[in-house]
Amino acid sequence: DAGITQSPRHKVTETGTPVTLRCHQTENHRYMYWYRQDPGHGLRLIHYSYGVKDTDKGEVSDGYSVSRSKTEDFLLTLESATSSQTSVYFCAILMDSSYNEQFFGPGTRLTVL
Amino acid sequence: KQEVTQIPAALSVPEGENLVLNCSFTDSAIYNLQWFRQDPGKGLTSLLLIQSSQREQTSGRLNASLDKSSGRSTLYIAASQPGDSATYLCAAGDDMRFGAGTRLTVKP
Repeated sequence: DAGITQSPRHKVTETGTPVTLRCHQTENHRYMYWYRQDPGHGLRLIHYSYGVKDTDKGEVSDGYSVSRSKTEDFLLTLESATSSQTSVYFCAILMDSSYNEQFFGPGTRLTVL
Repeated sequence: KQEVTQIPAALSVPEGENLVLNCSFTDSAIYNLQWFRQDPGKGLTSLLLIQSSQREQTSGRLNASLDKSSGRSTLYIAASQPGDSATYLCAAGDDMRFGAGTRLTVKP
């Protein structure tokens, strides 16, 4: 599983509240990613990081921010959650020595009421 | 912008049958293509990764091929088993664009 954990695994929140999801890895991989998965859309990239304090936007970054103050942690924040952000969120890492092979965490199911 | 399509969206086969899942992509200038398996309510498990310089990769009963010129990859599953039932996703390119997946059911 490449040592990836996500927390929380499930969360229910209300519209307008801030939410932070955490991705933690134990193997010091440089690249980390946040995706969301919705029926009919597959996985879509939200943000990614290529090092401590180095992040960039993905395909669906509006309404999300990220931070990476340590190699092992990549945080995804919804500043003011909306119902359209109800989704399953996956974190992934890139194996540095295997031709860009990605490995995924177990996911966080977020429901915004 | 890379677009990835997987056909069919769902497939049901009897146990023991050989089957092929398809993945099409629009931008042939890809670095690699990766196939994943996802069980209901679970994360993604990497199955095979094909580098742009390769034409195929094999792992056990799975064989993935890549034809960049036609923008296609196929995942071949030999002698399918009920345990192969899952959703199979492909992702192409440096920015890992995903298809919507093929939901496979293998009936005993």
